[in-house]
Amino acid sequence: AQKVTQAQTEISVVEKEDVTLDCVYETRDTTYYLFWYKQPPSGELVFLIRRNSFDEQNEISGRYSWNFQKSTSSFNFTITASQVVDSAVYFCALRGVLFGNEKLTFGTGTRLTIIP
Amino acid sequence: DARVTQTPRHKVTEMGQEVTMRCQPILGHNTVFWYRQTMMQGLELLAYFRNRAPLDDSGMPKDRFSAEMPDATLATLKIQPSEPRDSAVYFCASGKAPGLAGGETQYFGPGTRLLVL
Repeated sequence: AQKVTQAQTEISVVEKEDVTLDCVYETRDTTYYLFWYKQPPSGELVFLIRRNSFDEQNEISGRYSWNFQKSTSSFNFTITASQVVDSAVYFCALRGVLFGNEKLTFGTGTRLTIIP
Repeated sequence: DARVTQTPRHKVTEMGQEVTMRCQPILGHNTVFWYRQTMMQGLELLAYFRNRAPLDDSGMPKDRFSAEMPDATLATLKIQPSEPRDSAVYFCASGKAPGLAGGETQYFGPGTRLLVL
């Protein structure tokens, strides 16, 4: 069975501070994909990043960066110089690659509030 | 900018009524997923289709829920009869065929917020 744990239920930081959202996962698959989605107050789910299990290279996209550590089964997300528009619920998710096992298993989400 | 569309965006109905939710996947995507989001259960898969054929509907209550793809551009999720415990946000997502570049990613629609009184 697959499982994603986001231990941080809520985080509040002052604007311009850096913040890291933690994600730990469990899977028996040797090949899998990890994702982060953003859910702003409007409610839609916005895709942020996909990482496959063979690629442990960290990625940076503007103020966003992701740290994938296969040895600790973690896929953490850092926002640098946070802005009020970053306020949202962020979900980490995992999916397998086998036929019929393509559903996303989501964590419970971390609600991030950026204080002006 | 291609997007998944869902209608209606909001639905309020009374217990026992039939509810139909519709989804138009991104053009060229052949895999469609239905998820439900509740405070108690979080985001969970109800069913998914590839090339209009159901691959997994194990997350769906069979007695009252049904999902279909009448054609490649329309997916429907029906609840009959609806119950207050069905109140949730229902998301549709679509993706390309596995093996294609980016085929692993699911793109979500804006959701249908359902309230059953």
